[in-house]
Amino acid sequence: ETGVTQTPRHLVMGMTNKKSLKCEQHLGHNAMYWYKQSAKKPLELMFVYNFKEQTENNSVPSRFSPECPNSSHLFLHLHTLQPEDSALYLCASSQDPGGQAPTEAFFGQGTRLTVV
Amino acid sequence: GNSVTQMEGPVTLSEEAFLTINCTYTATGYPSLFWYVQYPGEGLQLLLKATKADDKGSNKGFEATYRKETTSFHLEKGSVQVSDSAVYFCALSLSSQGGSEKLVFGKGTKLTVNP
Repeated sequence: ETGVTQTPRHLVMGMTNKKSLKCEQHLGHNAMYWYKQSAKKPLELMFVYNFKEQTENNSVPSRFSPECPNSSHLFLHLHTLQPEDSALYLCASSQDPGGQAPTEAFFGQGTRLTVV
Repeated sequence: GNSVTQMEGPVTLSEEAFLTINCTYTATGYPSLFWYVQYPGEGLQLLLKATKADDKGSNKGFEATYRKETTSFHLEKGSVQVSDSAVYFCALSLSSQGGSEKLVFGKGTKLTVNP
């Protein structure tokens, strides 16, 4: 049990579908992240939320739309995706160290997304 | 910019062999360094960390020492087990005033340990 739960674990969607990925953390952290893990590529940071405010968007296409209604929940809304968007999407959380040495991030098990 | 370079895999070893996975980094400032492990079908788990130069992180028989002079954080284990088969990621993180930390990952090294 990592304290970070992602649903669904697997998702297959068509290019015209709209779906959402959900992430929930029970660790009392104030920062949450979306990462994309594709085959043979480094983990890519997509979005960062700190105290529910988006602090980073790493040039992610607008077909990915994050939402953070509170510091425990994070969503990734998907619309009109492409086959190359197929990947493992990982959610993580951490406690903002407030200028001190960074603490570790805790990851969920990921959602395996396949776009057909 | 900030980046992490780790040795290309895959690495295949026999049980009880010695393991080294090299990791070097480039960073502006003084990062914290991490090794994460990803078992098949799972997310990433923190394996060990070091927050300042000369710190040694250790866990489950794995060790890594933060070497500022060589900007390295090599992962070692004296005797690997079949259960160590996984993908290992080296990462760095820089804190920022009032902002969230950002982990920068290496590409990962797949380790397979045979009985």
